[in-house]
Formats: sequence, C-alpha cells, structure tokens
Amino acid sequence: ETVMTQSPGTLSVSPGEEATLSCRASQSVGTNLAWYQQKPGQAPRLLIYGASTRATGIPARFSGSGSGTEFTLTISSLQSEDFAVYYCQEFNSWPPLTFGGGTKVEIK
Amino acid sequence: QLQLQESGPGLVKPSETLSLTCTVSGGSIRSNDYYWAWVRQPPGKGLEWIGSVYYSGSTYYNTSLKSRLTISVDRSNNQFSLSLNSVTATDTAVYYCASQRRSGGYYFDSWGQGTLVSVSS
Repeated sequence: ETVMTQSPGTLSVSPGEEATLSCRASQSVGTNLAWYQQKPGQAPRLLIYGASTRATGIPARFSGSGSGTEFTLTISSLQSEDFAVYYCQEFNSWPPLTFGGGTKVEIK
Repeated sequence: QLQLQESGPGLVKPSETLSLTCTVSGGSIRSNDYYWAWVRQPPGKGLEWIGSVYYSGSTYYNTSLKSRLTISVDRSNNQFSLSLNSVTATDTAVYYCASQRRSGGYYFDSWGQGTLVSVSS
C-alpha cells in the first residue's frame, strides 16, 4: 500500500500571500493524484486530479504540479475562503485508495 | 451534477452493525463512469477510504475492514449501502458517500454531506 505524507501539518499564511503544500508518496504514483479542500463541517471538495488538472469550477489560483513521488498544491493570493484543510489522494494503486494526513492552512 | 445523500442511524451500540444508505440523484447509479464509494473521517482526523461498489455489484474493500464490511447496490432505487458489523468506538466517524470516477483516474468528484455515526452504549 502506498503511504501518502503531507507537509507541513499546519501552514500559517496571510491573505493575499501564496501557499505551497507538499504531498509525498512512498512509491511512484505517476500523475495519479488528486487534491481536495475541506472546510469545517463540510464534505471534501475535489480541486485537482491527474496531479495538475483543475476540477470544474475551481479558480485558477489553485494549481497542482509534480509526478512520481513529489507533488505540490499552490494557492496563489490566498482568499478568506481558502483557509481550510487540504488532502492529497493517490489512485495509482487502485484498489486501495489512500489519502494523506492533510495540511491545515490557517490565517497568519 | 450528481447529488448524494447519506441516511441511517446516528448511534450504534458496540458489537452491533452500522448500516447506512446513500441515495444518488442527478444521474443513474447504472453509469459506466462511476464506482460508488464510502469514505469515513473520525472526529478531528483524516480521511479513510472504506470501499467501493460498481453498479454490477462488484466490490472493492479496504483490507483493514474487509472482514466486517459489506457494500451493496440497489439499482431500482438508485442507492448503495454500507454495512459494518462488530463495531467498536474506533468506528465512530463521519461517514461520507461519494461518486468515484472509473476512468481517467479513480478520484472522488461528488460527495454527500456526511453523517456522524457514534458507537456507544
């Protein structure tokens, strides 16, 4: 089973600044990776799939990059609604499907 | 746009069976494009894939839960269900149902709102 490790656990960022979140896989997953955003009390929302393709309706300030074992989610110019927890998920080894532990983006 | 809605008891006693149903609207559960999945999240923790079902009835389970788990599909009612037996306090979580893409990547593109299930006597 592929283990997904996200860092940092918490990221403090000021509104308008850029946030860079990392996700590392214990073995290569190619570009078979998705990112989700979860706000308190809400279900996760798909942001990115295929490592870099934005899902429908996702603003351009969200971008994903990487392949193999190292992935990055970048949020340029953070808006108030972007403060949330972000999860990566690999789907190269389906089944199973595994998530990272999450990165909380909080207001600095 | 698919909509999914979980339903079922919010409280289950230890050693009993947790049963939830997910109703799909805005599309057919017979779609070739999707698996239908359950994901859970213990309070304050991360996400865990539980298992998935295809409309044909084929199932895929998390190996850590496989011995206690059954996921089934009800094509006539556009629903799928989760049954987890012999529950303990560690099964307390918010349970989400989700649509899982079946081609171009196995990611979750629509989610239910989630339902909190507590295991307690």
